[in-house]
Amino acid sequence: DTGVSQNPRHKITKRGQNVTFRCDPISEHNRLYWYRQTLGQGPEFLTYFQNEAQLEKSRLLSDRFSAERPKGSFSTLEIQRTEQGDSAMYLCASSRVQTSRNYEQYFGPGTRLTVT
Amino acid sequence: GESVGLHLPTLSVQEGDNSIINCAYSNSASDYFIWYKQESGKGPQFIIDIRSNMDKRQGQRVTVLLNKTVKHLSLQIAATQPGDSAVYFCAENPPAGTYKYIFGTGTRLKVLA
Repeated sequence: DTGVSQNPRHKITKRGQNVTFRCDPISEHNRLYWYRQTLGQGPEFLTYFQNEAQLEKSRLLSDRFSAERPKGSFSTLEIQRTEQGDSAMYLCASSRVQTSRNYEQYFGPGTRLTVT
Repeated sequence: GESVGLHLPTLSVQEGDNSIINCAYSNSASDYFIWYKQESGKGPQFIIDIRSNMDKRQGQRVTVLLNKTVKHLSLQIAATQPGDSAVYFCAENPPAGTYKYIFGTGTRLKVLA
């Protein structure tokens, strides 16, 4: 257990429905990242936050995806009008950043999304 | 739980032997590298990291080697144990300061009893 938690662990939804996932990072970590992982592949970067500010979004993050970190603590990732291609493991990671050094990212257990 | 990496390259080693897992990274300017271990149904777990100003770093039973000339990373696991069976990913951090990792395709390690 890395200290990063994600809920739910599994989500099955029908195409066209909206889903929301939550990530609770390690409490003193100011950076939070979302990745997507499909079977047989390494995780792919989606977006990241420093405190409450969303600083970068990947081209993988279509308009149907939105992420928030309203108070600089937990984060949510919402997918609207889900498609079968959204089926994947959604991973959250957090890290601590200081002026002259960045620290390793710690990953949560992931949320497995299946769109039927 | 579900399987991670159904069609990944596989390395099979006998319990007690040493394992070497290799990775080619993409960006010659990447300045930070990490090895992660991922078991089925779990998120990646940090193993060891190395910065680009180093060639070698040792941890407990693990060593990472970095060859910047050929953009190659390796992870050496000493005295491999059944609990080491998992998929191993290398990740690189390209320069730009964001630390959004780029992951390699992964290698499945199978430890034979």
